[in-house]
Amino acid sequence: QKEVEQNSGPLSVPEGAIASLNCTYSDRVSQSFFWYRQYSGKSPELIMSIYSNGDKEDGRFTAQLNKASQYVSLLIRDSQPSDSATYLCAVRGYSTLTFGKGTMLLVSP
Amino acid sequence: ETGVTQTPRHLVMGMTNKKSLKCEQHLGHNAMYWYKQSAKKPLELMFVYSLEERVENNSVPSRFSPECPNSSHLFLHLHTLQPEDSALYLCASSQDLIGTGWTGELFFGEGSRLTVL
Repeated sequence: QKEVEQNSGPLSVPEGAIASLNCTYSDRVSQSFFWYRQYSGKSPELIMSIYSNGDKEDGRFTAQLNKASQYVSLLIRDSQPSDSATYLCAVRGYSTLTFGKGTMLLVSP
Repeated sequence: ETGVTQTPRHLVMGMTNKKSLKCEQHLGHNAMYWYKQSAKKPLELMFVYSLEERVENNSVPSRFSPECPNSSHLFLHLHTLQPEDSALYLCASSQDLIGTGWTGELFFGEGSRLTVL
């Protein structure tokens, strides 16, 4: 059973702080990793993807991947109240995309 | 119309009713998916279609019946549902089927919120 684990939260951070969202996965042959953001009552949207070990930066977002530890994270710098949402980690195996339960992030003004 | 649209957005049905959810994608994608999203559970993949052919059925009860008449439309026919089937049903599409080397993106519709009484 392929599993993707996330802390459900909520993770509460003040505006301007760094939010750190974590995800672990069980399938060692996983090849691609994605972060989706889902606002309350809305559908998930892709915000970051990462395929190799290390960091990938896009604006205020940084995805980090460590395949040896089977760990992927998302850092949000200068968090804004508009970042308040549930963040879903998704991991691709050969032909499947497995989602975690998501971490709710609350950014307070 | 852009993206992936789903209708109806909200549906309440009794256990003996028959209803259908509709999904339409305007992106020219080749693969379409049905996902179920329940509270405190991960997104569960239900069905996958590639170029109108069903390629995956994840042990979904037969009371859920998918139909893909063409590459732009996907239906989920519902009959004799149970209260535990109440959830948000999300349709998604991608340019190509998820597989080796896939670096694509799933585009989700807004979902159909189903309540079974």
